[in-house]
Amino acid sequence: RKEVEQDPGPFNVPEGATVAFNCTYSNSASQSFFWYRQDCRKEPKLLMSVYSSGNEDGRFTAQLNRASQYISLLIRDSKLSDSATYLCVVSYNAGKSTFGDGTTLTVKP
Amino acid sequence: SAVISQKPSRDICQRGTSLTIQCQVDSQVTMMFWYRQQPGQSLTLIATANQGSEATYESGFVIDKFPISRPNLTFSTLTVSNMSPEDSSIYLCSVGGGGVLLDYGYTFGSGTRLTVV
Repeated sequence: RKEVEQDPGPFNVPEGATVAFNCTYSNSASQSFFWYRQDCRKEPKLLMSVYSSGNEDGRFTAQLNRASQYISLLIRDSKLSDSATYLCVVSYNAGKSTFGDGTTLTVKP
Repeated sequence: SAVISQKPSRDICQRGTSLTIQCQVDSQVTMMFWYRQQPGQSLTLIATANQGSEATYESGFVIDKFPISRPNLTFSTLTVSNMSPEDSSIYLCSVGGGGVLLDYGYTFGSGTRLTVV
């Protein structure tokens, strides 16, 4: 079993749709959680950190459920520019990060 | 967040040769990380580079194949030695991971796209 598992995707959605990505992790000692976005042929860029209380940044909402070892990302009102690969990242100390395989989203007009 | 300059951005190399990748950070950082991203796959941590000590390698990666230098708090190099086509990949350096809650996230260099022929 992989340490971090994501929905395999790909997700193809129309503009304006709401889409949700899920991620599970196996290390219960994990301390910090992130969603990254990676555009084709580009480096990953931090989208948002994820907290147990949940956090929202505009159209993006992230949730963490430590009991279930589960992380989610919700994108509302999808835009064409949201098309990218979304990476779930879990860290159990300041140096050790494990990346999920990523979920590819394509938003179509 | 830190700004990282990584070079070269891409290279095509002959098998059996070595390539050194450089990362320069615009601020002093304690730890720098080197990742590999093989085609169609996610990122895998190669090693953590700490200034003043030997790098810490992850399982499956060894110093002879991927020697790392960390001469100061703003610079690091990764060398891919005795390359084979299987080493064709994107190599990325990264810094970050701080914060009281360790929630600062990481900043990545723009990557080095290596093709070994």
